[in-house]
Amino acid sequence: DGGITQSPKYLFRKEGQNVTLSCEQNLNHDAMYWYRQDPGQGLRLIYYSQIVNDFQKGDIAEGYSVSREKKESFPLTVTSAQKNPTAFYLCASSISGLGSNQPQHFGDGTRLSIL
Amino acid sequence: AQTVTQSQPEMSVQEAETVTLSCTYDTSESDYYLFWYKQPPSRQMILVIRQEAYKQQNATENRFSVNFQKAAKSFSLKISDSQLGDAAMYFCAYTPGRTGGGADGLTFGKGTHLIIQP
Repeated sequence: DGGITQSPKYLFRKEGQNVTLSCEQNLNHDAMYWYRQDPGQGLRLIYYSQIVNDFQKGDIAEGYSVSREKKESFPLTVTSAQKNPTAFYLCASSISGLGSNQPQHFGDGTRLSIL
Repeated sequence: AQTVTQSQPEMSVQEAETVTLSCTYDTSESDYYLFWYKQPPSRQMILVIRQEAYKQQNATENRFSVNFQKAAKSFSLKISDSQLGDAAMYFCAYTPGRTGGGADGLTFGKGTHLIIQP
């Protein structure tokens, strides 16, 4: 079955450490996204990529970095500059937006906590 | 910047009854898309229904329908014949339509926690 796979499901970060969250999709979607969800809050956009080797900052990109070297992969690195990284992170993908009105499909999420 | 507001943090309804969840949004765009997503305790985000702003007709999906009032910038979700499996967080979301549905990322409201009373 096609879908989006996020790993790991749970992740712990030590102070001053960078960690990378994996997101892989086999839906052949061009666009991919990272969102952060805090308790009692909606999702907020961190980064998005509409095509390979290109990505844009979302609303809360500070302290995060991404890469898009392959169509199916969009890893998110939470750097030590992100002072409050504890949250639930969701990856999503969609068919390219150019002329498309297809919705985003989401992975099952990664919960990141500080040790 | 666009904003999405869900004014009801929590709603409760008896099983088999009808409930309406409210959503308002602010945008200067004329072309855009609106979505309702459901997030059960498993935390998975599930698309419930979507609406294109240029369409006058309200979207429906089985027991789920929307009341889209473009002039008022209102996009409410009506759930008919509520079932226990409908219990979840419901999020309203917006994306501009200049590049299609969602390529620029979604702007979400803070959500409404829907409780179904048996």
